[in-house]
Amino acid sequence: EVQLVESGGGLVKPGGSLRLSCAASGFTFSSYTMTWVRQAPGKGLAWVSSMSPTGSYIYYADSLKGRFTVSRDNAKNSLYLQMNSLSAEDTAVYYCAREDSKASRHWFFGLWGRGTLVTVSS
Amino acid sequence: EIVMTQSPATLSVSPGERATLSCRASQSVSSNLVWYQQKPGQAPRLLIYGASTRATGIPARFSGSGSGTEFTLTISSLQSEDIAVYYCQEYNNWPFMYTFGQGTKLEIK
Repeated sequence: EVQLVESGGGLVKPGGSLRLSCAASGFTFSSYTMTWVRQAPGKGLAWVSSMSPTGSYIYYADSLKGRFTVSRDNAKNSLYLQMNSLSAEDTAVYYCAREDSKASRHWFFGLWGRGTLVTVSS
Repeated sequence: EIVMTQSPATLSVSPGERATLSCRASQSVSSNLVWYQQKPGQAPRLLIYGASTRATGIPARFSGSGSGTEFTLTISSLQSEDIAVYYCQEYNNWPFMYTFGQGTKLEIK
C-alpha cells in the first residue's frame, strides 16, 4: 500500500526540541521530493520545508529558517524534521507529503500522511 | 511573497446546487495553482492541478478554471460527501516555496 506515516509528535515545553519522522512505503521513496506541511489547530495549511530526492536541495519557509532542519534516509525510506527552540506558535499537526509532478511543469502534493500533532505548552 | 486569498470564508449550498469557490493571487501565478479538499480529521486530498486538470479519481462534478490571479473551483451538483474545507495553493515559485490560501469551508444548507 502506498502510504506515509508520521510519528514523533507530542507535548513539549517552550524552548524544547522534537524530531518528527515520516515512514514511506509502497513507492520508490528515493525518487521523490518530500515536504512537511503544518496546520495549527483550526487554521489553514502552511508549507514548512521540502527536500529533493538526494538531499541536494532543501527549502524552508522563511519564518522557520534556523530552527527547523529537514533530513532524509533513503535507505530507510524515511523523512525527518528536527524542530528546535519551539514556541506555542509551532503547535500544529505536521503532515508529510510527497511532491508529484506532471509534464515537468506542474507540481503538487499528491500523497499525504495522516499527520502527527505537536503541542508546545508549559 | 505571493498571498493567496480565498472567498468566501464559509459557503452554504443546498444539495444538488452549484458551489463556486474563489481564489485570488496577489500577483500572477499563471496556471500554477492546485486545489485540495480536507474533510474533518483527515489529511488534505488533491483535487485539481494546473488550475483546471482533475487529479486521478476525482469526480467530474469538480472543475477548476482561471489563470493569472483569479481562479475558481466549481462543484456542479453538491453532494453531502463534498462537505469539507477547500484550499488553493500556488506553486509559481517552485521549488523555493509554496503558498496556501486560508481555505473556504463548504457547508450544507
